Amino acid sequence: QSVLTQPPSVSAAPGQKVTISCSGSSSNIGDNYVSWYQQLPGTSPKLLIYDNNRRPSGIPDRFSGSKSGTSATLGITGLQTGDEADYYCGTWDSSLSARVFGGGTKLTVL
Amino acid sequence: QVQLQESGPGLVKPSETLSLTCTVSGGSLSRGSYYWSWIRQPAGKGLEWIGRIFTSGSTNYNPSLKSRITISLDTSKNQFSLKLSSVTAADTATYYCARDYYGYDYWGQGTLVTVSS
Repeated sequence: QSVLTQPPSVSAAPGQKVTISCSGSSSNIGDNYVSWYQQLPGTSPKLLIYDNNRRPSGIPDRFSGSKSGTSATLGITGLQTGDEADYYCGTWDSSLSARVFGGGTKLTVL
Repeated sequence: QVQLQESGPGLVKPSETLSLTCTVSGGSLSRGSYYWSWIRQPAGKGLEWIGRIFTSGSTNYNPSLKSRITISLDTSKNQFSLKLSSVTAADTATYYCARDYYGYDYWGQGTLVTVSS
């Protein structure tokens, strides 16, 4: 049971847009920055978004992040088959004094 | 370019201690304001944060694992290590080391550790 809640799966057609939600509480998302990770099959996770909505160098602007209250959202536009992966949200939980992750969302590009 | 590489036994017996090392290249463990972390992932499942160590040596651990974890720093070798005691089959996972700086920006390739007799 993950502290942060994500939908198990989402899907969309190539070229379309998809959003992935991440729901938490006042002690984690509500009080701290959120980051997002992409994990392609058989690889290590890769940082896509940090500080709620900032992209590391090299991450295309097709990827965006936002936060409102105790929820965060990852948006991906112009979907490509290469975007098929598992996506995780993560943040710090001030009550647990621990990093926490969502359970992950599998993106299928139909 | 910072690179991280995990190393350690791929097989550990139940009740024994799992020991892994992460070697960092392209940057010094003793410089900067970074946390150096351990994260694990059972096959087919999500990410679980194990704990982290700051450049100063201070640590934070996952409350659910805290009694069994030790994370330490060896700046002379530019390495940090994980020890997880009293392992069971539930500790079988791919273990990643990662740098925590505005998110986990650098990751190791991961090492599979199986707990089995």
